[in-house]
Amino acid sequence: AQSVAQPEDQVNVAEGNPLTVKCTYSVSGNPYLFWYVQYPNRGLQFLLKYITGDNLVKGSYGFEAEFNKSQTSFHLKKPSALVSDSALYFCAVSRTGGGNKLTFGTGTQLKVEL
Amino acid sequence: GAVVSQHPSWVICKSGTSVKIECRSLDFQATTMFWYRQFPKQSLMLMATSNEGSKATYEQGVEKDKFLINHASLTLSTLTVTSAHPEDSSFYICSAGEERGYYNEQFFGPGTRLTVL
Repeated sequence: AQSVAQPEDQVNVAEGNPLTVKCTYSVSGNPYLFWYVQYPNRGLQFLLKYITGDNLVKGSYGFEAEFNKSQTSFHLKKPSALVSDSALYFCAVSRTGGGNKLTFGTGTQLKVEL
Repeated sequence: GAVVSQHPSWVICKSGTSVKIECRSLDFQATTMFWYRQFPKQSLMLMATSNEGSKATYEQGVEKDKFLINHASLTLSTLTVTSAHPEDSSFYICSAGEERGYYNEQFFGPGTRLTVL
């Protein structure tokens, strides 16, 4: 079985400040980890993924995430938040031999304020 | 590249009618497509996995006879909600899988908002 935990339902940050959205996972075998963003009444937009290689992954719109195997974490970060980053963020995991099924976290609502 | 479309983007129907939602991969061939359901302010729940030319694999608790899935070609999968009821109202999202060597990356459609009156 595989699972994802996003411990924060909502994260508030001031524009210009760094942001972190937390994600921890549980999977047997090697994980494939993803971050997606969803705006109201829209589908998911891909931000970044970790498949293999460097633990620090850089993605779209200035976001990055660090794969930490010992802590089974894949936190999403951005050095300087924008109001337009306000959205719902999902972390997801799949695994080798898992039939390519993605398991999603419960989502974290990011609110960036002026 | 890797664009997935869904049609319609929203639909309102009467209770007891059936509704078909189409999911298309526009610029790649998808051997596998996935259907998700999302309730307001909740996560995506996988409903079923469909493979081209074969029967869909449904997740536990999903009614096969109510949510009919057809994956007739490498670019098209359809979800038909049969005899829809108000509790079927939800946001339905599909994704299409593209082979990327040793893993299959999913690309998501924009979603379909279904409201059953």
